Amino acid sequence: GENVGLHLPTLSVQEGDNSIINCAYSNSASDYFIWYKQESGKGPQFIIDIRSNMDKRQGQRVTVLLNKTVKHLSLQIAATQPGDSAVYFCAEAYDKVIFGPGTSLSVIP
Amino acid sequence: EAQVTQNPRYLITVTGKKLTVTCSQNMNHEYMSWYRQDPGLGLRQIYYSMNVEVTDKGDVPEGYKVSRKEKRNFPLILESPSPNQTSLYFCASSFGGRQETQYFGPGTRLLVL
Repeated sequence: GENVGLHLPTLSVQEGDNSIINCAYSNSASDYFIWYKQESGKGPQFIIDIRSNMDKRQGQRVTVLLNKTVKHLSLQIAATQPGDSAVYFCAEAYDKVIFGPGTSLSVIP
Repeated sequence: EAQVTQNPRYLITVTGKKLTVTCSQNMNHEYMSWYRQDPGLGLRQIYYSMNVEVTDKGDVPEGYKVSRKEKRNFPLILESPSPNQTSLYFCASSFGGRQETQYFGPGTRLLVL
């Protein structure tokens, strides 16, 4: 069935290190992918997106990589800070949006 | 400030007592949606609306109703709540639809006893 999943449910990183959060999607027809950040007690917040005609997109301290061959999406956070601690969701969109279950990122000061 | 607001933020009710969770956005977005979030299941779409007077079922619509009489408002109605509807609910909106960035409200935590 349709599935957007994450390889690691939890991730702990040292402050200043780079973080990589991975996501697998199952529908090769998906053509839009989004990463959201959800802090405790808040709604998901858009971080970065990428369309299927690209394989890499960079934002401020964040990079999303898309590998359509293996249906894999990753979010890289450079120089991770305590404020990056949150749950991160990937989502895929075609005729509907499907969200993954989320990865909890903890930053160790 | 551009935002999506939901009320109430927290609600405890009893089985069978009708309730409404309001959602309002001030960004003139056409697309609005309701999700529920449960541990280990991620966000699942309940209902969505492409525009005024246009609503469609999402993945888990049973037990819910919605209406879209105005562009800015998209209330979620539980006519007869049951304990399995205990969850965290999010309203979201976007300008152009599913393939546009969605802006989420702060969430409504519902407990049905």
